[in-house]
Amino acid sequence: NAGVTQTPKFRVLKTGQSMTLLCAQDMNHEYMYWYRQDPGMGLRLIHYSVGEGTTAKGEVPDGYNVSRLKKQNFLLGLESAAPSQTSVYFCASSLSGIAPYGYTFGSGTRLTVV
Amino acid sequence: QQQVKQSPQSLIVQKGGIPIINCAYENTAFDYFPWYQQFPGKGPALLIAIRPDVSEKKEGRFTISFNKSAKQFSLHIMDSQPGDSATYFCAAGGGSQGNLIFGKGTKLSVKP
Repeated sequence: NAGVTQTPKFRVLKTGQSMTLLCAQDMNHEYMYWYRQDPGMGLRLIHYSVGEGTTAKGEVPDGYNVSRLKKQNFLLGLESAAPSQTSVYFCASSLSGIAPYGYTFGSGTRLTVV
Repeated sequence: QQQVKQSPQSLIVQKGGIPIINCAYENTAFDYFPWYQQFPGKGPALLIAIRPDVSEKKEGRFTISFNKSAKQFSLHIMDSQPGDSATYFCAAGGGSQGNLIFGKGTKLSVKP
């Protein structure tokens, strides 16, 4: 059972470079989320999707874009990376938006922007 | 602004102790309160969750206590073990969007 798979696991970017983080889930979940985790800040929602073809902004969306062209994939893009985007990024998915709706998280992508 | 306030930020207990982590929320529309456990280098994993229609829920050594009137809930870990050393996040959610609001986390260390 793969669950939620994130690629890559580690990446170092130079300021101004772009990249895409891929999240794939094999549980047929409708909802998918991108969070960033920073020391002392907990998990903060960047963007989310409530179904294929939909996206919405979360708490900290600036500097990021997302796409959900297929139900199983949720992509997070950084168009012009900044040092402030150094973080650990987690993707999560859930079956529905109605409780109880436990999230399944991926193992994370550690991104460093220099 | 919807917030979930979690305390303490860190906690050290001896093996067999009962660490207690507290969370408080503001939005009375929240109807789902899960706790997540995260080990270093891993993603958070659902540990236990409660709905506001009950005041307590137990799963193994983990217990959630819920006080609806105070808008507070807490996690108790009975007979804590070194293997329980992890970061714990409380969260709250409600409505059809399914978005969970997470606390900032508590780093628990259980000493042998």
